[in-house]
Amino acid sequence: QVQLQESGPGLVKPSQTLSLTCTVSGASISSGGYYWSWIRQYPGKGLEWIGYIYYSGSTYYNPSLKSRVTILVDTSKNQFSLKLRSVTAADTAVYYCARSVGWFGEAHFDYWGQGTLVTVSS
Amino acid sequence: QSVLTQPPSASGTPGQRVTISCSGSSSNIGSNTVNWYQQLPGTAPKLLIFNNNKRPSGVPDRFSGSKSGTSASLAISGLQSEDEADYYCAAWDDSLNGLWVFGGGTKLTVL
Repeated sequence: QVQLQESGPGLVKPSQTLSLTCTVSGASISSGGYYWSWIRQYPGKGLEWIGYIYYSGSTYYNPSLKSRVTILVDTSKNQFSLKLRSVTAADTAVYYCARSVGWFGEAHFDYWGQGTLVTVSS
Repeated sequence: QSVLTQPPSASGTPGQRVTISCSGSSSNIGSNTVNWYQQLPGTAPKLLIFNNNKRPSGVPDRFSGSKSGTSASLAISGLQSEDEADYYCAAWDDSLNGLWVFGGGTKLTVL
């Protein structure tokens, strides 16, 4: 069974960098065939895709966040990570990692982590 | 403001059939497949329908999806109390360099 688990600080100060890691078990990131995503859910419940990465390191980012986001993969640890720079209170959300299967317009997110709440506050 | 438009709420009584709509545009639903996710309180979204109308293993056939033009629908027949949840539609959007877009979610209440 594929499982994803987010980890990282639950509180980040404004203007600092939010850093999260997703650890994957039950599947190997390096086997290819999947894109590994970060998605966030605001307190008001709306979902926003942040971006994803392939095992090779190729990335796709949401244009609205692209200037502040970096997603990296560490195949040796079967992990991928998110860095979001210059955060504000508007970045407060539950952050999920998820696996995407299929090719872009015909893809879907088949496995999700449990999510981790990140609050931006001084 | 979500790119895909869903009604904020829907309701039905046990045994009834309810539908939830999802409206988009030519750059998302009009040219790509639609997926639906169910989110029970306090949990992560779970894949319910993919590629417009396919059910993952383990999802009851009471759940069905359809798509026409730039709109999609999720239907739940034989409504049960455990179906009370938030439902989200999602699709790939071809605009700019491409991105995933979601609906704002529909809160389904079983009366």
